[in-house]
Amino acid sequence: TQLLEQSPQFLSIQEGENLTVYCNSSSVFSSLQWYRQEPGEGPVLLVTVVTGGEVKKLKRLTFQFGDARKDSSLHITAAQPGDTGLYLCAGVHNQGGKLIFGQGTELSVKP
Amino acid sequence: GAVVSQHPSRVICKSGTSVKIECRSLDFQATTMFWYRQFPKKSLMLMATSNEGSKATYEQGVEKDKFLINHASLTLSTLTVTSAHPEDSSFYICSARDTQYFGPGTRLTVL
Repeated sequence: TQLLEQSPQFLSIQEGENLTVYCNSSSVFSSLQWYRQEPGEGPVLLVTVVTGGEVKKLKRLTFQFGDARKDSSLHITAAQPGDTGLYLCAGVHNQGGKLIFGQGTELSVKP
Repeated sequence: GAVVSQHPSRVICKSGTSVKIECRSLDFQATTMFWYRQFPKKSLMLMATSNEGSKATYEQGVEKDKFLINHASLTLSTLTVTSAHPEDSSFYICSARDTQYFGPGTRLTVL
């Protein structure tokens, strides 16, 4: 069974702090996606990374795909209460094309 | 952008009844749709892959007779939870188009 380990699973910080969420696997993924989900809603795609070593920025969010395409990170700078939510990484496996999700990171940013 | 809708958004039913959840792609055709289940503050678990015009592919441990999937058209897939029990209570989410677009989810509560 292929696993995607996401950490931390819970994170509570103050507004203005920085944070990093990690997503690690022993398997290689053809691409990796990051989603944000609010309670009672479906996940919303934030970014897709495809190339090993790739770095993408989305305002205060920086996403990185590991050189070996086995891991990824999400860094948020100067977090705001509006960043609160469940962040999910998900990898597309080379075979079958199924999306494998990490455990999720519940982020709470307090004003 | 692509939109995936789900109906109903919430449903409460008595134990032993069956519940049908619809997943529609609103502005594109989807030969493949995916059904996920999510427990509170947990990640998404892939239940099955719905294929238009053919049988669904179920993940290991998911009872195909319990969770009936019908993908009768290129824009509609349905998930029927048969003889529902309280342990079937969950958040059910569908996705389409390479799994990047998720529906808003359906909250099922079985009394």
